[in-house]
Amino acid sequence: QKEVEQNSGPLSVPEGAIASLNCTYSDRGSQSFFWYRQYSGKSPELIMSIYSNGDKEDGRFTAQLNKASQYVSLLIRDSQPSDSATYLCAVTVQGAQKLVFGQGTRLTINP
Amino acid sequence: KAGVTQTPRYLIKTRGQQVTLSCSPISGHRSVSWYQQTPGQGLQFLFEYFSETQRNKGNFPGRFSGRQFSNSRSEMNVSTLELGDSALYLCASSTGTKNTEAFFGQGTRLTVV
Repeated sequence: QKEVEQNSGPLSVPEGAIASLNCTYSDRGSQSFFWYRQYSGKSPELIMSIYSNGDKEDGRFTAQLNKASQYVSLLIRDSQPSDSATYLCAVTVQGAQKLVFGQGTRLTINP
Repeated sequence: KAGVTQTPRYLIKTRGQQVTLSCSPISGHRSVSWYQQTPGQGLQFLFEYFSETQRNKGNFPGRFSGRQFSNSRSEMNVSTLELGDSALYLCASSTGTKNTEAFFGQGTRLTVV
């Protein structure tokens, strides 16, 4: 079992709709959870961090964390074509400053 | 506030050569981590340096090494290059404390021929 799992997609969503991205992790001791966005040929860009159970909202983005289910999600409201990218879920391993990444979900927003 | 700076942006090397990559973190950040990104393996952790000490290490062979200087700048060295070392090498800067966010540089694209 991979430490961090994401559906590789591609996930296709119409413009203006809600895009929902999911991630599961295996280490119950994981403490920090992040979503990065990566455009083709570019480096990952941090868009959300979440550390406790529940929802965290930042503009059009909402991160959701459920530690009991070992599940993290990212919702993008009012999706725009500029949101088309690969979204990477990352988790810190307990006691270490080390990010473990999922394989990423490729998201396409269709105008 | 300046971001994370990686140099060079692109490199082409021949098998058997060695290469050194550089990373300057965000001012005030003391932790620098290095990652390798390939289409097949995704983003994989190489090592992390904090206050000039290697604090964490990933599962890469000893050909991959690094160091950090007193100004927090870090270098990564790969010796005896193999074709499979072709990848995007990314460094991430953070404060290094618990629950800290990491910010990536632009990356160095290494091609081994």
